[in-house]
Amino acid sequence: AQSVAQPEDQVNVAEGNPLTVKCTYSVSGNPYLFWYVQYPNRGLQFLLKYITGDNLVKGSYGFEAEFNKSQTSFHLKKPSALVSDSALYFCAVREPTSGGYNKLIFGAGTRLAVHP
Amino acid sequence: EAGVVQSPRYKIIEKKQPVAFWCNPISGHNTLYWYRQNLGQGPELLIRYENEEAVDDSQLPKDRFSAERLKGVDSTLKIQPAELGDSAVYLCASSKRSPGGASGRAGETQYFGPGTRLLVL
Repeated sequence: AQSVAQPEDQVNVAEGNPLTVKCTYSVSGNPYLFWYVQYPNRGLQFLLKYITGDNLVKGSYGFEAEFNKSQTSFHLKKPSALVSDSALYFCAVREPTSGGYNKLIFGAGTRLAVHP
Repeated sequence: EAGVVQSPRYKIIEKKQPVAFWCNPISGHNTLYWYRQNLGQGPELLIRYENEEAVDDSQLPKDRFSAERLKGVDSTLKIQPAELGDSAVYLCASSKRSPGGASGRAGETQYFGPGTRLLVL
């Protein structure tokens, strides 16, 4: 079965510094990977996804993620953090099911705190 | 374009009472998902609809949970009777069916609503 791990419960970073939120995955077959962000009392917002192609994927709000097949990782990055980036971040992997339909398997989430 | 709409946003009920959640997906999205998110965890899929057909409900506790999407548009998730352990955020998501078979569908993006926060006392 597919799974993702987010090894850090919380990441703290100073505003203006680069940030990284880590994600590792375990899949059988091709990996289809996603990052979502959740602000308080709101649903998940899609940031970016890796399907195939370039290992560096660019997404919304200046975020990007680097797919590394040898390390089975898909870390989320941003060159310069903003206080407004403080939120809960979820990594997810697509799990194929019978009939070709798919569902997302989410990690437990990483809370990002950006300090002024 | 309007996003996924859910109501109510918050619900507090006593255990053993029934409760229902409503979701209206993004216009034109064939696939609708219900997820449950427990505190401190990522969302877990409860049920998925392709148009009006439930195609994956293996995680739905069928003794107390039911769902419907009668006309293939909006959907209702019901719990009867609710238990203390049902306290969670219930998220609805939708996606538009992509061409290209299984690999094409693997790349579909799911768009989430704001969720319904349920507290069972």
